[in-house]
Amino acid sequence: GESVGLHLPTLSVQEGDNSIINCAYSNSASDYFIWYKQESGKGPQFIIDIRSNMDKRQGQRVTVLLNKTVKHLSLQIAATQPGDSAVYFCAERRKAAGNKLTFGGGTRVLVKP
Amino acid sequence: KAGVTQTPRYLIKTRGQQVTLSCSPISGHRSVSWYQQTPGQGLQFLFEYFSETQRNKGNFPGRFSGRQFSNSRSEMNVSTLELGDSALYLCASSLELAGGRGYEQYFGPGTRLTVT
Repeated sequence: GESVGLHLPTLSVQEGDNSIINCAYSNSASDYFIWYKQESGKGPQFIIDIRSNMDKRQGQRVTVLLNKTVKHLSLQIAATQPGDSAVYFCAERRKAAGNKLTFGGGTRVLVKP
Repeated sequence: KAGVTQTPRYLIKTRGQQVTLSCSPISGHRSVSWYQQTPGQGLQFLFEYFSETQRNKGNFPGRFSGRQFSNSRSEMNVSTLELGDSALYLCASSLELAGGRGYEQYFGPGTRLTVT
């Protein structure tokens, strides 16, 4: 069945270093992949998305890489800051399923000062 | 513009009761989706409403239902509450961007439901 998962449940990173969060997916029919950030007591916040016909997309301090060959998605955060401490989720969407998102289990990022 | 709003933010109910949660999407967004978030199961899709019609449904029992009004506001209802229904219920509103530029989906802060 379809699934979206994460390799690392917790990631500790030194402030100023780069962070890499990984995600594996199994549904090759996915059209979009999205990364969300969730801080304590808040709903998931959109970070960046990538269409399935792309392999890289950059935003402000973030880059998402998509490798369809191995069904792998990653989020890179440059110069990690204390405000980046949160749980990060990858999610996939198929246009045929409307706006339904299938989420991975989440990775907690802890930024050490 | 204002974000997605959900009311109430916190709720405590007793087993067997029923509950109604409300979501107001971002202005102009016609799609509203509901998710349940628990530590054990993570974020799971409940259902999606678009133009007052249920467009998609997740794998939840019939005790979970929803509806959408003409102003795109949505409500979800859980009847005969069980202890396992304790969760954060999240609402997301979506807008398909023109010209195939993708879409945007934004979440509200959620309603924390505790069933005792």
